[in-house]
Amino acid sequence: AQSVTQLDSQVPVFEEAPVELRCNYSSSVSVYLFWYVQYPNQGLQLLLKYLSGSTLVKGINGFEAEFNKSQTSFHLRKPSVHISDTAEYFCAVSQGGYNKLIFGAGTRLAVHP
Amino acid sequence: DVKVTQSSRYLVKRTGEKVFLECVQDMDHENMFWYRQDPGLGLRLIYFSYDVKMKEKGDIPEGYSVSREKKERFSLILESASTNQTSMYLCASSLRSRAGPMNTEAFFGQGTRLTVV
Repeated sequence: AQSVTQLDSQVPVFEEAPVELRCNYSSSVSVYLFWYVQYPNQGLQLLLKYLSGSTLVKGINGFEAEFNKSQTSFHLRKPSVHISDTAEYFCAVSQGGYNKLIFGAGTRLAVHP
Repeated sequence: DVKVTQSSRYLVKRTGEKVFLECVQDMDHENMFWYRQDPGLGLRLIYFSYDVKMKEKGDIPEGYSVSREKKERFSLILESASTNQTSMYLCASSLRSRAGPMNTEAFFGQGTRLTVV
């Protein structure tokens, strides 16, 4: 069965610093990978997705992620964070078809002034 | 914009009650999902449906059932609510990916925070 591991449950960072949120997945077949963000008291919003093609994927709000097949990783990065990026971030994998998403446990990003 | 609407943001129910959580989407999506979100566990799939009257169990279906009588509406039912079902419930919808992977984005509702006392 597929699984997703988010290696950090919480990441504190100062405003304007770079950040990387780590995600590893387990799968022996082709996968589609996603990062979602959840702001307080809201549902999930798609940040970016990898379906095929270029391994560097750019998303909304200045985020990007790199698909690394050999390391089965899909880490999320932002070169300079803002206070408004404070949220919980979820990595997810899907094998298409019914688009059943398998989620990681989430990483809570806390941006401090 | 795709809109997925969950009928309640907050709900408090008593142990043993039958509870209905309703979800409606307005983009003619074939697939609909119910997830449960708990701290440290992420989102776990309870049930999903890929067509009207069709349903499939997810990873944690015990204690839940679902109903999909119309394409736009997907209901989650707690037959006899228990305190361990206190959680955030999220509904999502997506297009069936008949055209390949391009339509695999899932859209989420705002969530229903259910407390069972």
